[in-house]
Amino acid sequence: GAVVSQHPSRVICKSGTSVKIECRSLDFQATTMFWYRQFPKQSLMLMATSNEGSKATYEQGVEKDKFLINHASLTLSTLTVTSAHPEDSSFYICSARGGGAQPQHFGDGTRLSIL
Amino acid sequence: AQSVTQPDIHITVSEGASLELRCNYSYGATPYLFWYVQSPGQGLQLLLKYFSGDTLVQGIKGFEAEFKRSQSSFNLRKPSVHWSDAAEYFCAVGPNFGNEKLTFGTGTRLTIIP
Repeated sequence: GAVVSQHPSRVICKSGTSVKIECRSLDFQATTMFWYRQFPKQSLMLMATSNEGSKATYEQGVEKDKFLINHASLTLSTLTVTSAHPEDSSFYICSARGGGAQPQHFGDGTRLSIL
Repeated sequence: AQSVTQPDIHITVSEGASLELRCNYSYGATPYLFWYVQSPGQGLQLLLKYFSGDTLVQGIKGFEAEFKRSQSSFNLRKPSVHWSDAAEYFCAVGPNFGNEKLTFGTGTRLTIIP
């Protein structure tokens, strides 16, 4: 149980395009979803927290207009990297948790490469 | 502010040997502690967690961890490692059951030699 699916697993695109990453909880209702960014050989840095039906809460230093997060249902959150540039290239990981004393369950990540 | 320190960036052990990965945390209240494992190019898998109760917690894949409040530590152990345990291991701390924001350590990369 507690499976989180993230799609796509890898995307390569040109500078200036927008990229959407989906995060789905397959077998539970995710009241909260988190988006992380991970640079090579580094730890995960929380970008934002989203609750279903509410606006996302962004961490300090994360541009909310750059990284658009939508959590429209209890099983789906999306991260859109708008007008992506090479410095946005990274590994993006989502996680989801249900209510109560539930830990976060992570997706397999998305490798984003901006040319 | 909460923080997590994993002092060992890279550890190499022989297959079949015992393993201990160190984790120290800094948190002002009762912490909720987690160990996750990440294989290359993949997301994180929860190995075990500590919320309260018995300070020795058992996880998946034969891992265990011991919470020591006096030392602010939550070290991960395994009595005999397998080649498939080679991965990156992250310790994390969170504030509560609710909308917790996890703070991760920098990770320890585990290499297994035959």
